[in-house]
Parts: sequence; C-alpha cells; structure tokens
Amino acid sequence: GAGVSQSPSNKVTEKGKDVELRCDPISGHTALYWYRQRLGQGLEFLIYFQGNSAPDKSGLPSDRFSAERTGESVSTLTIQRTQQEDSAVYLCASSLHREAGALTGELFFGEGSRLTVL
Amino acid sequence: KQEVTQIPAALSVPEGENLVLNCSFTDSAIYNLQWFRQDPGKGLTSLLLIQSSQREQTSGRLNASLDKSSGRSTLYIAASQPGDSATYLCAVRLRDYKLSFGAGTTVTVRA
Repeated sequence: GAGVSQSPSNKVTEKGKDVELRCDPISGHTALYWYRQRLGQGLEFLIYFQGNSAPDKSGLPSDRFSAERTGESVSTLTIQRTQQEDSAVYLCASSLHREAGALTGELFFGEGSRLTVL
Repeated sequence: KQEVTQIPAALSVPEGENLVLNCSFTDSAIYNLQWFRQDPGKGLTSLLLIQSSQREQTSGRLNASLDKSSGRSTLYIAASQPGDSATYLCAVRLRDYKLSFGAGTTVTVRA
C-alpha cells in the first residue's frame, strides 16, 4: 500500500478483555516499530522488528503485551486482560534501513489505533 | 541514554510570523534526526530527515538545521499559516535502530 495501515482505528473494550491491533507496513520496509502514546504524553517505545532477526521487546510494559510479525509483512500487537492504564493510541511505524545503497532510515507512521479500556 | 528536549513546549504566533522550534539531544553520535508533525488524534507525518553527515534540509517553507557537536537541531517554518498549527516532534536515531523522541512543541498560529 501507499502508507502504513493500522486497524482498528478505534477500539473500546471492557477491562479484562483481550485486544488485537494490526499494522500493515509499507511494502518492502524491513523495519517495523510499535509505540504507545498516552493522552498528552510522548511516544513510548514498545517493540521493534527487523527482517527475520529476533525482535527487541525491551519496551513491552508487561507480559500481558505481545507482538508478532511474519517476515516483512503484517504485525499484530496483542494485549491480554486489558487494564484501564492500557488506554492509549498505539502507533506503528516502518522504515527501510537501506535504500538504493544509501542508508536512510526515514520513519513512516500509521494513523494509530485508539484503545479505550472501560 | 539519549535524552531529547524540545523547547518551548508551546508556542502561539500570529499568522505570517516565522516559527523557530528547538530540539536538543545529549548524545552526539547520532545516525539521523527526523522532524514530524502530529495533528490532534492523528499519527505522525514525516517533515524532514537529516542524516548525520548533513547540516540542513529544506522542503518548501520548512528548513531544518543540525549541529551535532552542540547537540542541537532547529526547525524553521517561514511565513506561518493557521494550517501549520500542530505538535512538532523531533526524533533522534543512534547508530542502531533505536529512536528517542522529544515531547514536542505545540504550535498555534492565530489568524
């Protein structure tokens, strides 16, 4: 696609339910990031995928959070047993680490998935 | 750990005035620096990317400079318009994949 696509754009759920957020990166982008942005706050790194390398999960706030990515395609962020403090916008971004032999690394973001936990 | 600071946190100017947004970072061994714009309730839109070997980048009314030795980048927006009202974030990438974001500067351009 033309840009990074995220779904759903909005999700309202009850405390304790599981949610799944999807990110479709720009075609050919090897790197994929998930960030969280709470209301009025900055971006919080969650997880990073690069090709078939082991992901960097160091930003995941608890074991209720997990993410998967198959190769260089779609990624899914899963939050189990949601809590009210999980309410935030979850942003996905993708980038190329190398483009036509030049190192670029420009990051492109999706519109985000707004999660509200009641 | 890379610390990124953006000053001021908020800025209000009349239409037509030039905007100057500042970004400072503590670790000068950066790979690149990227400026973004975020509208309320939206994702981030990439404005300019400056590689570590570059001193500045320009796109239309936007100009971003980079001074690695002093750990600073400045985003200039010429002849501001109400449509420029948004939050502007800078992000610094070290020589791996990690990025550090500033908290942003919220700009209001008054008509």
